[in-house]
Amino acid sequence: DAGVIQSPRHEVTEMGQEVTLRCKPISGHDYLFWYRQTMMRGLELLIYFNNNVPIDDSGMPEDRFSAKMPNASFSTLKIQPSEPRDSAVYFCASSHRGHHYGYTFGSGTRLTVV
Amino acid sequence: AQSVTQPDIHITVSEGASLELRCNYSYGATPYLFWYVQSPGQGLQLLLKYFSGDTLVQGIKGFEAEFKRSQSSFNLRKPSVHWSDAAEYFCAVGPTGFQKLVFGTGTRLLVSP
Repeated sequence: DAGVIQSPRHEVTEMGQEVTLRCKPISGHDYLFWYRQTMMRGLELLIYFNNNVPIDDSGMPEDRFSAKMPNASFSTLKIQPSEPRDSAVYFCASSHRGHHYGYTFGSGTRLTVV
Repeated sequence: AQSVTQPDIHITVSEGASLELRCNYSYGATPYLFWYVQSPGQGLQLLLKYFSGDTLVQGIKGFEAEFKRSQSSFNLRKPSVHWSDAAEYFCAVGPTGFQKLVFGTGTRLLVSP
Protein backbone atom coordinates (compact mmCIF):
# COMPACT_ATOMS: atom_id res chain seq x y z
CA ASP A 1 0.00 0.00 0.00
CA ALA A 2 1.26 3.48 -0.83
CA GLY A 3 0.09 4.89 2.46
CA VAL A 4 -1.74 8.18 2.90
CA ILE A 5 -0.87 10.48 0.03
CA GLN A 6 -0.99 14.24 0.35
CA SER A 7 -0.43 16.86 -2.29
CA PRO A 8 1.20 19.20 -2.75
CA ARG A 9 4.14 18.72 -0.36
CA HIS A 10 4.82 22.43 -0.30
CA GLU A 11 2.60 25.35 -1.19
CA VAL A 12 3.51 29.01 -1.20
CA THR A 13 0.71 31.42 -1.89
CA GLU A 14 -0.11 35.07 -1.52
CA MET A 15 -2.50 36.34 1.08
CA GLY A 16 -6.05 36.35 -0.20
CA GLN A 17 -5.59 33.47 -2.59
CA GLU A 18 -7.51 30.21 -2.43
CA VAL A 19 -5.54 27.15 -1.37
CA THR A 20 -6.62 23.54 -1.81
CA LEU A 21 -4.88 20.69 -0.07
CA ARG A 22 -5.52 17.12 -1.16
CA CYS A 23 -5.48 13.76 0.53
CA LYS A 24 -5.86 10.17 -0.60
CA PRO A 25 -6.40 7.83 2.36
CA ILE A 26 -5.36 4.22 2.54
CA SER A 27 -7.73 2.02 0.60
CA GLY A 28 -10.32 0.47 2.90
CA HIS A 29 -9.88 3.02 5.67
CA ASP A 30 -13.18 4.58 6.69
CA TYR A 31 -11.96 7.41 8.92
CA LEU A 32 -10.10 10.44 7.64
CA PHE A 33 -8.62 13.22 9.74
CA TRP A 34 -7.18 16.65 8.97
CA TYR A 35 -4.68 18.07 11.45
CA ARG A 36 -2.75 21.31 11.50
CA GLN A 37 0.67 21.58 13.13
CA THR A 38 2.26 24.84 14.24
CA MET A 39 5.01 25.66 16.69
CA MET A 40 2.64 27.65 18.85
CA ARG A 41 -0.33 25.31 18.98
CA GLY A 42 1.11 21.89 18.23
CA LEU A 43 -1.14 19.35 16.53
CA GLU A 44 -4.74 20.47 16.23
CA LEU A 45 -7.56 18.34 14.87
CA LEU A 46 -9.46 20.38 12.32
CA ILE A 47 -12.10 17.93 11.13
CA TYR A 48 -12.68 14.24 10.69
CA PHE A 49 -14.88 12.09 8.49
CA ASN A 50 -16.38 8.65 8.86
CA ASN A 51 -17.58 6.95 5.68
CA ASN A 52 -17.18 10.28 3.86
CA VAL A 53 -19.47 12.10 6.31
CA PRO A 54 -18.05 14.92 8.47
CA ILE A 55 -18.37 13.88 12.12
CA ASP A 56 -16.65 16.67 14.01
CA ASP A 57 -15.61 19.97 12.50
CA SER A 58 -15.33 21.87 15.76
CA GLY A 59 -11.64 22.40 15.17
CA MET A 60 -12.08 24.27 11.92
CA PRO A 61 -10.79 27.75 12.72
CA GLU A 62 -13.36 29.81 10.87
CA ASP A 63 -15.51 29.99 7.80
CA ARG A 64 -12.51 30.48 5.59
CA PHE A 65 -11.77 26.79 6.05
CA SER A 66 -13.83 24.05 4.44
CA ALA A 67 -13.29 20.33 3.92
CA LYS A 68 -14.96 17.80 1.70
CA MET A 69 -14.80 14.09 1.12
CA PRO A 70 -16.67 13.34 -2.09
CA ASN A 71 -15.71 9.68 -2.05
CA ALA A 72 -13.80 7.15 0.01
CA SER A 73 -10.53 7.78 -1.77
CA PHE A 74 -10.27 11.56 -1.80
CA SER A 75 -10.58 14.54 0.50
CA THR A 76 -9.79 18.24 0.18
CA LEU A 77 -9.15 21.01 2.66
CA LYS A 78 -9.72 24.46 1.23
CA ILE A 79 -8.78 27.84 2.62
CA GLN A 80 -10.38 30.86 1.01
CA PRO A 81 -9.13 33.51 1.39
CA SER A 82 -5.79 32.50 2.86
CA GLU A 83 -4.01 34.59 5.50
CA PRO A 84 -0.41 34.54 6.78
CA ARG A 85 -1.56 33.03 10.10
CA ASP A 86 -2.69 29.94 8.16
CA SER A 87 0.94 29.07 7.52
CA ALA A 88 1.47 25.62 9.01
CA VAL A 89 1.95 21.98 8.14
CA TYR A 90 -1.33 20.27 7.37
CA PHE A 91 -1.53 16.53 7.90
CA CYS A 92 -4.07 14.06 6.69
CA ALA A 93 -4.44 10.71 8.44
CA SER A 94 -6.69 7.70 8.01
CA SER A 95 -7.77 4.73 10.06
CA HIS A 96 -10.03 1.71 9.89
CA ARG A 97 -12.84 0.87 12.26
CA GLY A 98 -12.01 -2.23 14.18
CA HIS A 99 -8.29 -1.84 13.76
CA HIS A 100 -7.09 -0.31 16.99
CA TYR A 101 -3.71 0.62 15.61
CA GLY A 102 -4.08 4.37 15.56
CA TYR A 103 -3.77 6.47 12.49
CA THR A 104 -1.56 6.33 9.46
CA PHE A 105 -0.36 9.83 8.66
CA GLY A 106 0.55 11.35 5.36
CA SER A 107 3.78 13.29 4.91
CA GLY A 108 1.98 16.61 5.22
CA THR A 109 1.65 19.78 3.19
CA ARG A 110 3.75 22.72 4.29
CA LEU A 111 1.73 25.85 3.56
CA THR A 112 3.30 29.28 3.53
CA VAL A 113 1.08 32.31 3.02
CA VAL A 114 3.00 35.50 2.26
CA ALA B 1 -12.31 16.10 28.66
CA GLN B 2 -9.39 14.20 27.27
CA SER B 3 -5.96 15.74 27.58
CA VAL B 4 -2.34 14.71 27.29
CA THR B 5 0.59 16.37 29.01
CA GLN B 6 4.16 15.94 27.92
CA PRO B 7 6.05 17.99 30.51
CA ASP B 8 9.40 18.01 28.74
CA ILE B 9 9.66 20.21 25.66
CA HIS B 10 13.27 19.24 24.94
CA ILE B 11 15.45 16.42 26.20
CA THR B 12 19.10 15.85 25.38
CA VAL B 13 20.56 12.39 25.82
CA SER B 14 24.01 11.08 25.06
CA GLU B 15 24.23 8.37 22.45
CA GLY B 16 24.14 5.00 24.16
CA ALA B 17 22.41 6.33 27.26
CA SER B 18 18.93 5.32 28.34
CA LEU B 19 15.87 7.43 27.60
CA GLU B 20 12.54 8.05 29.27
CA LEU B 21 9.95 10.44 27.86
CA ARG B 22 7.05 11.30 30.11
CA CYS B 23 3.38 11.31 29.23
CA ASN B 24 0.45 11.93 31.54
CA TYR B 25 -3.12 11.74 30.37
CA SER B 26 -6.57 12.64 31.57
CA TYR B 27 -9.34 10.39 30.41
CA GLY B 28 -12.60 9.23 31.93
CA ALA B 29 -12.54 5.62 30.80
CA THR B 30 -10.02 3.03 29.78
CA PRO B 31 -7.86 4.86 27.31
CA TYR B 32 -6.24 3.82 24.10
CA LEU B 33 -2.71 5.21 24.27
CA PHE B 34 -0.16 5.77 21.54
CA TRP B 35 3.32 7.05 20.97
CA TYR B 36 4.25 8.53 17.61
CA VAL B 37 7.59 9.77 16.30
CA GLN B 38 8.10 12.57 13.80
CA SER B 39 11.39 13.05 12.00
CA PRO B 40 12.08 16.46 10.46
CA GLY B 41 9.93 17.11 7.41
CA GLN B 42 8.04 13.87 7.85
CA GLY B 43 4.66 12.74 9.02
CA LEU B 44 4.04 10.96 12.29
CA GLN B 45 4.91 7.28 12.54
CA LEU B 46 3.36 4.95 15.10
CA LEU B 47 5.90 3.60 17.60
CA LEU B 48 3.61 1.61 19.84
CA LYS B 49 0.14 1.39 21.32
CA TYR B 50 -1.67 0.17 24.41
CA PHE B 51 -5.31 -0.64 24.96
CA SER B 52 -5.45 -3.78 27.06
CA GLY B 53 -3.42 -6.64 28.41
CA ASP B 54 0.18 -6.45 29.49
CA THR B 55 0.93 -2.95 30.72
CA LEU B 56 4.45 -3.05 29.29
CA VAL B 57 4.24 -2.81 25.52
CA GLN B 58 6.96 -3.18 22.97
CA GLY B 59 7.19 -1.12 19.84
CA ILE B 60 9.36 -0.60 16.84
CA LYS B 61 12.96 0.61 16.90
CA GLY B 62 13.56 -0.87 20.36
CA PHE B 63 11.12 1.38 22.20
CA GLU B 64 8.81 0.29 24.99
CA ALA B 65 6.22 2.01 27.14
CA GLU B 66 4.56 1.20 30.42
CA PHE B 67 0.95 1.98 31.23
CA LYS B 68 0.41 2.92 34.87
CA ARG B 69 -3.26 3.49 35.57
CA SER B 70 -2.68 4.70 39.13
CA GLN B 71 -0.40 7.46 37.86
CA SER B 72 -2.27 8.14 34.61
CA SER B 73 1.02 7.77 32.83
CA PHE B 74 2.34 6.12 29.71
CA ASN B 75 6.06 6.81 29.64
CA LEU B 76 8.22 5.86 26.69
CA ARG B 77 11.60 4.23 27.26
CA LYS B 78 14.59 2.99 25.34
CA PRO B 79 17.62 1.36 27.00
CA SER B 80 20.22 2.71 24.57
CA VAL B 81 19.63 5.70 22.32
CA HIS B 82 21.04 5.94 18.82
CA TRP B 83 21.75 9.18 16.96
CA SER B 84 18.96 8.28 14.52
CA ASP B 85 16.43 8.52 17.37
CA ALA B 86 16.70 12.30 17.34
CA ALA B 87 13.17 13.41 16.48
CA GLU B 88 9.99 14.71 18.06
CA TYR B 89 7.85 12.31 20.04
CA PHE B 90 4.12 12.62 20.59
CA CYS B 91 1.88 10.86 23.07
CA ALA B 92 -1.81 10.51 22.20
CA VAL B 93 -4.99 9.26 23.86
CA GLY B 94 -8.39 8.32 22.49
CA PRO B 95 -11.54 6.28 23.04
CA THR B 96 -10.52 3.68 20.47
CA GLY B 97 -7.66 3.03 18.14
CA PHE B 98 -9.37 4.48 15.11
CA GLN B 99 -11.37 7.52 16.27
CA LYS B 100 -10.42 11.00 17.38
CA LEU B 101 -7.08 11.16 19.18
CA VAL B 102 -5.83 13.97 21.37
CA PHE B 103 -2.12 14.61 21.07
CA GLY B 104 0.35 16.05 23.53
CA THR B 105 2.54 18.98 22.60
CA GLY B 106 5.49 16.75 21.85
CA THR B 107 9.01 16.27 23.24
CA ARG B 108 11.97 17.01 21.03
CA LEU B 109 14.80 14.54 21.58
CA LEU B 110 18.34 15.63 20.86
CA VAL B 111 21.11 13.03 20.87
CA SER B 112 24.62 14.17 21.66
CA PRO B 113 27.71 12.24 20.54
